[in-house]
Amino acid sequence: EPEVTQTPSHQVTQMGQEVILRCVPISNHLYFYWYRQILGQKVEFLVSFYNNEISEKSEIFDDQFSVERPDGSNFTLKIRSTKLEDSAMYFCASQGDGHQPQHFGDGTRLSIL
Amino acid sequence: KNEVEQSPQNLTAQEGEFITINCSYSVGISALHWLQQHPGGGIVSLFMLSSGKKKHGRLIATINIQEKHSSLHITASHPRDSAVYICAVIRGSQGNLIFGKGTKLSVKP
Repeated sequence: EPEVTQTPSHQVTQMGQEVILRCVPISNHLYFYWYRQILGQKVEFLVSFYNNEISEKSEIFDDQFSVERPDGSNFTLKIRSTKLEDSAMYFCASQGDGHQPQHFGDGTRLSIL
Repeated sequence: KNEVEQSPQNLTAQEGEFITINCSYSVGISALHWLQQHPGGGIVSLFMLSSGKKKHGRLIATINIQEKHSSLHITASHPRDSAVYICAVIRGSQGNLIFGKGTKLSVKP
């Protein structure tokens, strides 16, 4: 069965540095999402992406964050000037169309030191 | 106030027991997901439903749109069912999910 793959599985970064989290969605999917889960808390929506542009973003997704689909297969989340509170598990999800379930990657655990 | 509430927060069951996890939501939705999160953190979609009932193996999900309530049932529970079960809704025409806090299920042999 096709999978959403995320790399790296774990990223450790010094505060203030930039990180790029990578996702390869399922190949024929059209809708892409980033979510995050701070340890011990519920999963929160960050941003959705469709037709090469952001379709919706949450209050969390401020100027520190950006997303890109650089080559038609990868879907990346960039976090600039990382802060301690950015430490979380980040999940990518993709969806074929609006009537199908979202498929999640295994997540990237981001630790900011 | 959380838009998606789940109960119970934690649930311990003996192998073989019938399990019910409840989800209530306060917003208009177009669909509801039940998801399973394993201890390693990965999330798997179990069901997506907008009305009625769906069944997959030992899992059954129901939704009552009028009452804004959904249930996930596990029949003949097994230790491998131990995980966090998360209810998440899609609000209106927006595609993003709004998550509940999850129910941590432990099934003892």
